[in-house]
Amino acid sequence: AQSVSQHNHHVILSEAASLELGCNYSYGGTVNLFWYVQYPGQHLQLLLKYFSGDPLVKGIKGFEAEFIKSKFSFNLRKPSVQWSDTAEYFCAAVYTGTASKLTFGTGTRLQVTL
Amino acid sequence: KAGVTQTPRYLIKTRGQQVTLSCSPISGHRSVSWYQQTPGQGLQFLFEYFSETQRNKGNFPGRFSGRQFSNSRSEMNVSTLELGDSALYLCASSNAPEETQYFGPGTRLLVL
Repeated sequence: AQSVSQHNHHVILSEAASLELGCNYSYGGTVNLFWYVQYPGQHLQLLLKYFSGDPLVKGIKGFEAEFIKSKFSFNLRKPSVQWSDTAEYFCAAVYTGTASKLTFGTGTRLQVTL
Repeated sequence: KAGVTQTPRYLIKTRGQQVTLSCSPISGHRSVSWYQQTPGQGLQFLFEYFSETQRNKGNFPGRFSGRQFSNSRSEMNVSTLELGDSALYLCASSNAPEETQYFGPGTRLLVL
């Protein structure tokens, strides 16, 4: 079955620490991959996406993600987090042939302390 | 461009009632998808419409239905509400299927 898994459910970091959130997707053919963020009280916003090409993609607010096909992974990274990065982060995939069906991971709650 | 809008933003219903939620996509977007977000199940796909046709449906009972109008606006309906239907219902739009989806603020439904 098509699925996305996020290994970290709750991450607590101090400001300026580096961040890496894991995401793995199941095999199911070609996928488009996304990271969305949900800040407290706000709606889901797109951080970055990967469709094809350079496996290292850069998004907004200094985030980047690396697509590693051999590992079925699409991990999210940021070299130095800020308090304002406190939010819930969702990895998601659209498998070719499933129209717009986004399959989401369970999310990672990131808490950044001052 | 205005983003995806959803109405109403909050709704309280009682068990057995039905509810209709509305979504207006970003101008020019023809694909609209609906998702249910709950603390226990996370984000789950309900269905997707493109050019007034349902192209994909998630694993939800038949009480959940939707439609899309010629102007791409979409509605979803839940009949015979159950307590477990309490959730945040999100609508997302995209230029075309499999393209990037942009989400609205959601409708928070509470079933008592």
